[in-house]
Amino acid sequence: AQSVTQLDSHVSVSEGTPVLLRCNYSSSYSPSLFWYVQHPNKGLQLLLKYTSAATLVKGINGFEAEFKKSETSFHLTKPSAHMSDAAEYFCVVSPSSNDYKLSFGAGTTVTVRA
Amino acid sequence: DADVTQTPRNRITKTGKRIMLECSQTKGHDRMYWYRQDPGLGLQLIYYSFDVKDINKGEISDGYSVSRQAQAKFSLSLESAIPNQTALYFCATSDFRGNGYTFGSGTRLTVV
Repeated sequence: AQSVTQLDSHVSVSEGTPVLLRCNYSSSYSPSLFWYVQHPNKGLQLLLKYTSAATLVKGINGFEAEFKKSETSFHLTKPSAHMSDAAEYFCVVSPSSNDYKLSFGAGTTVTVRA
Repeated sequence: DADVTQTPRNRITKTGKRIMLECSQTKGHDRMYWYRQDPGLGLQLIYYSFDVKDINKGEISDGYSVSRQAQAKFSLSLESAIPNQTALYFCATSDFRGNGYTFGSGTRLTVV
């Protein structure tokens, strides 16, 4: 079985300050991990993915995430938030790189203050 | 054109009515999925299909049915809609390696 816990339902940051979105997972296998972003009235867009290569994964729009097996975490960070980063973010786990069973976290809503 | 297209974008229907949500893709992916999104719950898998002849139930299939009309088309039906099926529905595709999940823009369904 696998599960995903996003530790914060809402995160509010000032423009230009760092963003940290926390995600812990549980999986019986060597998982693949993803972060998706959903802007209002839009579909989900892939930010980045981890599939057992480098533990520090760089994604689009300046985001990156670090896979820490010992902590079963996959936190998402960005050094400097932009107004356009306001959205909902989902941490997603798949048991392996060749498995369809995605498990979604409940989501973290990010607001960016001017 | 979008890689994964869902129609309609928004729909309001009455309790007891049958409704179909449609999804088409130009990714050439074999695998297609229907998810439901409720606030605070993330996305939950309703049905998935690995090819035209392979359809499987997901976590929350009760009250739903699907049809894979072609490799590129996968529709979701609510035979008799009820208010707790009010949600945002997403169609998605992926290749056989589980890479490249692509989501549609969603269908917002309201059952009154």
